Amino acid sequence: GENVEQHPSTLSVQEGDSAVIKCTYSDSASNYFPWYKQELGKRPQLIIDIRSNVGEKKDQRIAVTLNKTAKHFSLHITETQPEDSAVYFCAARRAGKLIFGQGTTLQVKP
Amino acid sequence: SAVISQKPSRDICQRGTSLTIQCQVDSQVTMMFWYRQQPGQSLTLIATANQGSEATYESGFVIDKFPISRPNLTFSTLTVSNMSPEDSSIYLCSVAVNTGDPTYEQYFGPGTRLTVT
Repeated sequence: GENVEQHPSTLSVQEGDSAVIKCTYSDSASNYFPWYKQELGKRPQLIIDIRSNVGEKKDQRIAVTLNKTAKHFSLHITETQPEDSAVYFCAARRAGKLIFGQGTTLQVKP
Repeated sequence: SAVISQKPSRDICQRGTSLTIQCQVDSQVTMMFWYRQQPGQSLTLIATANQGSEATYESGFVIDKFPISRPNLTFSTLTVSNMSPEDSSIYLCSVAVNTGDPTYEQYFGPGTRLTVT
């Protein structure tokens, strides 16, 4: 089955800096790659996603890139703000099922 | 997106008992899922709740322990049976929402925090 690896497990940046989180997946048949943000005690929230036929997608300060050949995708957050502090999860979908990475705790220091 | 509610939001249960968690969506959805999130961990798929047929369970999860019902396209239940402290976790309902293009987005309910003593 699908296996998703996510790095780093923790990331600390200064406010205004950029943050990058990387994920790799194992199953080349996976075709959809969402990213979720989970604040403490809250549900995971979908923040951006990318389909397998697209290489890059941007939404204001966040962007996702996908390299199908290498089977990896990344989340980029620019101009980070303290409210970006949360746990971020990547996921890959294969045969209708989302498999999640281990999560990255992002801390943005003011 | 979709408005998803879960009941109860939290519970403390005795070992050996069972708890049924309800998930309600404000619109008909084709796919519903149940996930478990242990403290400080990622989300693990328990099963896909199929309307009108048995749920499809992932490796490591069995129907006798986690029976699931899905009587219609807006409602599902997950029962955690014969609980032990190892079942203490957050249980999340998730639904797939068709976005109109050849795929769909997946959203999560608020979760049920279960503590087994």
